[in-house]
Amino acid sequence: EVQLVQSGAEVKKPGESLKISCKGSGYSFTSYWIGWVRQMPGKGLEWMGIIYPGDSDTRYSPSFQGQVTISADKSISTAYLQWSSLKASDTAMYYCARPGVPSSPDAFDIWGQGTMVTVSS
Amino acid sequence: DIQMTQSPSTLSASVGDRVTITCRASQSISSWLAWYQQKPGKAPKLLIYKASSLESGVPSRFSGSGSGTEFTLTISSLQPDDFATYYCQQYNSYWGTFGQGTKVEIK
Repeated sequence: EVQLVQSGAEVKKPGESLKISCKGSGYSFTSYWIGWVRQMPGKGLEWMGIIYPGDSDTRYSPSFQGQVTISADKSISTAYLQWSSLKASDTAMYYCARPGVPSSPDAFDIWGQGTMVTVSS
Repeated sequence: DIQMTQSPSTLSASVGDRVTITCRASQSISSWLAWYQQKPGKAPKLLIYKASSLESGVPSRFSGSGSGTEFTLTISSLQPDDFATYYCQQYNSYWGTFGQGTKVEIK
């Protein structure tokens, strides 16, 4: 079964760093892009960025460029989303998702269960 | 930046109604458009890709159309399980963009 399993919920203080993960299984991890999507409480979906684990090619939405870092470790089939200094406005659910077409940043047909990040002093 | 604008933001409908949601792109995206359904507390679910291709396992009452800058998602006969929020997403450009969402409520 193709699936993406994300790391658990996090509660952090402003200024702290954080790295959340998304582990792929049931498919060739290096052959598909993996994207990250933010959903702030009660709000819509926001496309953050996407990485191709095969060569680490990474694209960011301008809204998130410089605010987060997307990376991947193909040896353990895991993608990451990290912050160096969290803000209260980073409080949101974060989803990883995989496009349905190999080697193409296509529509997302496989989604992780989401990781809730809460940033509060 | 390609902006995606959905309308309406909220839609009240009854079981059995035909429902249409519109998504407009700020510039041409060819047919590189997807539609998702999201229910509270759940991850989004892909319904339609490449503007009009039905994802495997999705009921045939869902259909998509359009190309260029104007797209529609149609539910031919609304079912109780369809009350949810729907999002369009373009994947034509270097980065993707979602519409702001359309909440389909019970009338």
